[in-house]
Amino acid sequence: GIQVEQSPPDLILQEGANSTLRCNFSDSVNNLQWFHQNPWGQLINLFYIPSGTKQNGRLSATTVATERYSLLYISSSQTTDSGVYFCAAHSGSARQLTFGSGTQLTVLP
Amino acid sequence: EAGVAQSPRYKIIEKRQSVAFWCNPISGHATLYWYQQILGQGPKLLIQFQNNGVVDDSQLPKDRFSAERLKGVDSTLKIQPAKLEDSAVYLCASSLNGIADTQYFGPGTRLTVL
Repeated sequence: GIQVEQSPPDLILQEGANSTLRCNFSDSVNNLQWFHQNPWGQLINLFYIPSGTKQNGRLSATTVATERYSLLYISSSQTTDSGVYFCAAHSGSARQLTFGSGTQLTVLP
Repeated sequence: EAGVAQSPRYKIIEKRQSVAFWCNPISGHATLYWYQQILGQGPKLLIQFQNNGVVDDSQLPKDRFSAERLKGVDSTLKIQPAKLEDSAVYLCASSLNGIADTQYFGPGTRLTVL
């Protein structure tokens, strides 16, 4: 099945800093999502982005499907951005959404 | 629009006991998923329903886990008997129609098996 790798595994930022999280995948995708898991365990859908670029406030994401990677940008980070960010992908040959191992983001005040 | 609902939010049981979780997906969503998330890992799919039929249950430990979605709306996941290694968060998600659509997750049920 498809392999999904995320980097970095851990990231510590000062409030106000910008960051880029990366997701590499091993096959062409027809579903790629970014999620934020907050400290209470809730998985919140950030972007559905199998290709192209999307923006939502301080967050934006870009997927370059031909090169098999996706990037999540967080600008002017806030303490409420802390948590684990997951990338998940599905390729046509698979029967399920495969999650990466996540990036643990800590934003310090 | 209401999100995915799950109950209970927390459950503590002793090993060899049974437990059941309930999920109500977003209205109109045909596809429902149950995931298991062990601390420090990403969610792992246990079972996927399309309406009231099972699409994928290849990673469901069928000797102890069972799930149903009888009327194609809400669903229950049961563990009987529970083992220590079943301690995890059980997440329910739904999508409009199939795995290529956006998945929306419920708040999860945190299970502790003592």
